Amino acid sequence: EDQVTQSPEALRLQEGESSSLNCSYTVSGLRGLFWYRQDPGKGPEFLFTLYSAGEEKEKERLKATLTKKESFLHITAPKPEDSATYLCAVPRRAGGGADGLTFGKGTHLIIQP
Amino acid sequence: KAGVTQTPRYLIKTRGQQVTLSCSPISGHRSVSWYQQTPGQGLQFLFEYFSETQRNKGNFPGRFSGRQFSNSRSEMNVSTLELGDSALYLCATSIGGGYTGELFFGEGSRLTVL
Repeated sequence: EDQVTQSPEALRLQEGESSSLNCSYTVSGLRGLFWYRQDPGKGPEFLFTLYSAGEEKEKERLKATLTKKESFLHITAPKPEDSATYLCAVPRRAGGGADGLTFGKGTHLIIQP
Repeated sequence: KAGVTQTPRYLIKTRGQQVTLSCSPISGHRSVSWYQQTPGQGLQFLFEYFSETQRNKGNFPGRFSGRQFSNSRSEMNVSTLELGDSALYLCATSIGGGYTGELFFGEGSRLTVL
């Protein structure tokens, strides 16, 4: 069964203190890895899709990278508004069609002013 | 452009009752997926509908069911509620057709079972 493990479970940073969140996966035939952000009381919001090892995507202070076994979400000089739970996900199984996503349990990120 | 709309946002039920949740997708989105989110298990896939057909189903008991209408709106139903069904139920939509992991989520329906 596909597994997605995120670490750390929670992370508290000072404003401006850069760090990285980890997402490791065990999937045969990866068809993409997805990062989402979830604010309290809201549904997840899509951030990035990564398809192949070595690929990188950036958005404001966030950069997502992918290797053959894990993905990192790097956050550079974070601001308090970056506080959220960050989720990674992979497709549930190989093949075509919309098979749903398997999500990690997320990293709860708090940026203190 | 209006987002994904879920109703009701909050509801309280007692064990043994049933509940129906509704999801209206973004205009033009034909795929609707449902997820259950709990603190212990995180986000778990329930099922996905496209053009009124269920294409995939997660590992949930038959008490969980859904349907999709011709206008792409979807409902999910949980019968014979159990305490463990207390969760945030999230609807996610996409244009559909081929696979995409770029889903647009609603704000969810928070169900409390007493």
